[in-house]
Amino acid sequence: GDSVTQTEGPVTLSEGTSLTVNCSYETKQYPTLFWYVQYPGEGPQLLFKVPKANEKGSNRGFEATYNKEATSFHLQKASVQESDSAVYYCALSDMDSNYQLIWGSGTKLIIKP
Amino acid sequence: EAAVTQSPRNKVTVTGGNVTLSCRQTNSHNYMYWYRQDTGHGLRLIHYSYGAGNLQIGDVPDGYKATRTTQEDFFLLLELASPSQTSLYFCASKGHNQDTQYFGPGTRLLVL
Repeated sequence: GDSVTQTEGPVTLSEGTSLTVNCSYETKQYPTLFWYVQYPGEGPQLLFKVPKANEKGSNRGFEATYNKEATSFHLQKASVQESDSAVYYCALSDMDSNYQLIWGSGTKLIIKP
Repeated sequence: EAAVTQSPRNKVTVTGGNVTLSCRQTNSHNYMYWYRQDTGHGLRLIHYSYGAGNLQIGDVPDGYKATRTTQEDFFLLLELASPSQTSLYFCASKGHNQDTQYFGPGTRLLVL
């Protein structure tokens, strides 16, 4: 069945440094890929999604490219801020999952000032 | 912006106790979901529903019942709570032919 694997956290960075959170997926279908963010004390919320291979999604300075050949969807940001401290989830949705979300285990990001 | 509310926000019960968690969405979404979130496991799907009266089993259903009474309301029932069910519970909703889920603020449950 479908699966999503992402960088195990926590990841601790200093403000102003660059971020990469790895996400790899397995499916026999053509998924839509998602990044969700969960700030402390809140539920997860959509950061962005990409429905098509080789396209890029972005929001709030974060971006990820849907790489079908490598089955990857790595989250990147050039310069993180303390307010980016959160848990980041990679997820996919496709016909095999009955269009329900298959979640990665989440990556906790801690940004130190 | 989709609106999903959950109640209570915090709940403490004892082993063997009876607990009901409530979720309401006001966006006319067809799908509603119950997840639990635990350190090291991320989000795990307990049950979901695609309309009033419908119930689908998720990945970790044991020990949980759910009921969708209306389009808006989805309840999670723990009839004999155990300490292993101590967790943070999230409800989410999604529209038909949409792929984005909208989450509530969560209910923190402690089973002593």
